[in-house]
Amino acid sequence: GAVVSQHPSRVICKSGTSVKIECRSLDFQATTMFWYRQFPKKSLMLMATSNEGSKATYEQGVEKDKFLINHASLTLSTLTVTSAHPEDSSFYICSLTKWGGGEEQYFGPGTRLTVT
Amino acid sequence: DAKTTQPTSMDCAEGRAANLPCNHSTISGNEYVYWYRQIHSQGPQYIIHGLKNNETNEMASLIITEDRKSSTLILPHATLRDTAVYYCIVRVDPRETSGSRLTFGEGTQLTVNP
Repeated sequence: GAVVSQHPSRVICKSGTSVKIECRSLDFQATTMFWYRQFPKKSLMLMATSNEGSKATYEQGVEKDKFLINHASLTLSTLTVTSAHPEDSSFYICSLTKWGGGEEQYFGPGTRLTVT
Repeated sequence: DAKTTQPTSMDCAEGRAANLPCNHSTISGNEYVYWYRQIHSQGPQYIIHGLKNNETNEMASLIITEDRKSSTLILPHATLRDTAVYYCIVRVDPRETSGSRLTFGEGTQLTVNP
């Protein structure tokens, strides 16, 4: 499999501040990573596709200026929630694809963001 | 990608087999059936996938009907740690697409009881 880490696992911030979430591939070089958001008791929703060395591709309805994605290397993608508001409180999960006899997508453990 | 339909919730006794159904009546010929699960407050975990034939790995078995319009994920001996939301996802061969995005439905909450 692939090992994916996220940091921090939990973060509480005040409204109006910015929060950066890191997603790291610990044993694999990933040209593409994905960012999902999950509200309580809801399913995962894809926010954006992060491509190493190029701009991220955002899903419809996701504000690119609010959710800044930087895929600076083959093992690191970051998601910055700018000017966070309470409605941004959610579980943010990254994932990457590693081919293993049929392609599996590996997910990070998630980051719980609470905006007060 | 084709839409899937799963029961909202299911219960299973510990040690018994858990059979999770999934309907995907609009599946196309080049679409695979993938199963993931998500334990509470964790990231999803890949379980198994298949195209036409039944598949088995160390985690589960996947039974796909001959017309491919439905499938069943089987956990042969469910344990308490198998309590999770199970997602059935139908998607085209990711090698044929520019990205490997997954579209999650609501899934089935499986609760394994002692």
